Amino acid sequence: SQTIHQWPATLVQPVGSPLSLECTVEGTSNPNLYWYRQAAGRGLQLLFYSVGIGQISSEVPQNLSASRPQDRQFILSSKKLLLSDSGFYLCAWGPGQGPGETQYFGPGTRLLVL
Amino acid sequence: AQKITQTQPGMFVQEKEAVTLDCTYDTSDPSYGLFWYKQPSSGEMIFLIYQGSYDQQNATEGRYSLNFQKARKSANLVISASQLGDSAMYFCAMRTGSSNTGKLIFGQGTTLQVKP
Repeated sequence: SQTIHQWPATLVQPVGSPLSLECTVEGTSNPNLYWYRQAAGRGLQLLFYSVGIGQISSEVPQNLSASRPQDRQFILSSKKLLLSDSGFYLCAWGPGQGPGETQYFGPGTRLLVL
Repeated sequence: AQKITQTQPGMFVQEKEAVTLDCTYDTSDPSYGLFWYKQPSSGEMIFLIYQGSYDQQNATEGRYSLNFQKARKSANLVISASQLGDSAMYFCAMRTGSSNTGKLIFGQGTTLQVKP
């Protein structure tokens, strides 16, 4: 069966510091990968998606970047964190892009920027 | 514009009773999928149920069923025989066939509390 991991689970970082969040998927190959952010008590907003190694698309302009160095690894980064980067970051994977393809989420990373 | 609307910020239900969580959607794409996710306090988004726009019958998964009314553009989640463990936030989401990202569009969520 497929599993998706994220780490760290919680992170407290000062403004201006760098960021690296990691997501890995097991039990599948060539998945579509997604990074979402959730503000407190709100729905999720798509940040980045990837359909293959080295292929990254950004959904909204922001202070973050993403990379996919391996088939089942997705990394979210920032060179200098802003207060507004605080939130709950969820990685998801899906087998395809069709309207019926379910996305499965990881446990998430809570980021607090102070 | 593609949008999901959940008008109930919070709901209470007595244990063992059924509850309906409302969801309406807006899209001009004839091909779309509707999803419900559960988010407990731990934060993980758990997939519950899926309904395709061309499906003739309402989807069911155990105690979860989706009341799909295409003409009204609604996709309400029905939880039967509520349990204490059902207390969580519930999100309705949509994915359209015209999307080249495959992204899910989420509603704002409904917090469900099950009373013993």
